[in-house]
Formats: sequence, C-alpha cells, structure tokens
Amino acid sequence: EIVLTQSPGTLSLSPGEGATLSCRASQSVSSSYLAWYQQKPGQAPRLLIYGASRRATGIPDRISGSGSGTDFTLTISRLEPEDFAVYYCQQYGSSVTFGGGTKVEIK
Amino acid sequence: QVQLQESGPGLVKSSETLSLTCSVSGDSISSNKYYWGWIRQPPGKGLEWIGSMYYGGTTYYNSSLKSRVTIYEDTSKNQFSLKMTYVTAADTAVYYCARLPVVGTAIGAFDIWGQGTMVIVSS
Repeated sequence: EIVLTQSPGTLSLSPGEGATLSCRASQSVSSSYLAWYQQKPGQAPRLLIYGASRRATGIPDRISGSGSGTDFTLTISRLEPEDFAVYYCQQYGSSVTFGGGTKVEIK
Repeated sequence: QVQLQESGPGLVKSSETLSLTCSVSGDSISSNKYYWGWIRQPPGKGLEWIGSMYYGGTTYYNSSLKSRVTIYEDTSKNQFSLKMTYVTAADTAVYYCARLPVVGTAIGAFDIWGQGTMVIVSS
C-alpha cells in the first residue's frame, strides 16, 4: 500500500499570502495519478487537482499542482477567504489511499 | 447536473451489519465512463477509501476492509449500495459515495461526491 504523508499538519497564513502544501508518497505514484481535494467543515471534499497538475472544472488558476514520482505540491498563489480549509492528497495509481491532510488556517 | 445522495440508518448496533445506498441522478451507473465508490471519514479524522465498483459487478476493495465489505449495484433504481458486516465503534464515521471517471484504461479521481451520511455504531 502506498502511504501518503502530508506536511505541514497546519499552515497559519493571512489572506493574500501564498501557500505551499506537500504530499510525499512511500513509493512512486504511477502515471502521476495524484489528486488534491479541499474540505470545509460539514461539507464533502471537493476535487481541485487530478493527474498531479490538471485543474478540475471551475477551479481558479491561482490553485495549481505539480510534482511526479514521490513528491507532489499544491500551491495557492494568493489565499482568498474561501481557501481556508483542510486539503487532502490522494493517489489512485495503485489501489486508493489518502494523505492525512493539511489544515490551512487564518493567522 | 449529476447528484449523489446517501441514505441509510444513522445508528447501527455493534456486531451488526451496516447498509447504505447511494442514489444517483443525472447520470447512469451503467455508463461505461464511470466507476462508483464509497469513502468514509471518522469524526475529526481523515478520509479512508472503502471500495469502488463498475457496472456489471467489477469491484475493488480496501484490503483492510475487504473481508467485511460488499459493494453492489441496482441498475433498475440507478443506485449502488454498501454492506459492511460485524461493525464496531471504529466504523463510526461519515460515509460518502462518489463518482470516479474512467481515464483511458485507469480509474480517475473522485470528481463528484454525495453530501455524506453519519453512521454511529453503538454498543
């Protein structure tokens, strides 16, 4: 089973700042089958990025994904109030596993 | 607009069987373009994939849950269901159903989710 480790656990930032979230896999994720989700309290997760770098429908271009192999990054260039949430990475190249999440909170 | 809606008992007794149904509108679970899956989230914790199915009965399960889980379809009602046997308090969670697009010969990410349903396992 591929284990995904997300860091940091919590990111305290102000609106307008940039955010960089990391997701590291215990083994290479085949064909960059890596996704990122955003989850707000009481809501279902929302798909942001798939295929490591492809934005899902309706996702603004200030949110971007990058990486390959075992190291992946989600970048939010300028935090808007609606971006404060928990973010999960997920690999779907070998079975399905999720990372433990990174909380982006208002500083 | 595709929508998924989970339904089922909110309270299940320990050692009994949890049964949930996902009703799909705006799309067909018999489509060859999608898989359909279940994910759960214990209170205050992260996400755990339970399993996924393709029309016709192809299924894939989380190895840690495989012995207790069955996912199956009811195409006449455009629904798919989850059955989990011998539940314990550790199975208390919000249960989500979701859609997964087929990408070439692979399965994609969960692109549409239901709102989730809370299931509490009581002793």
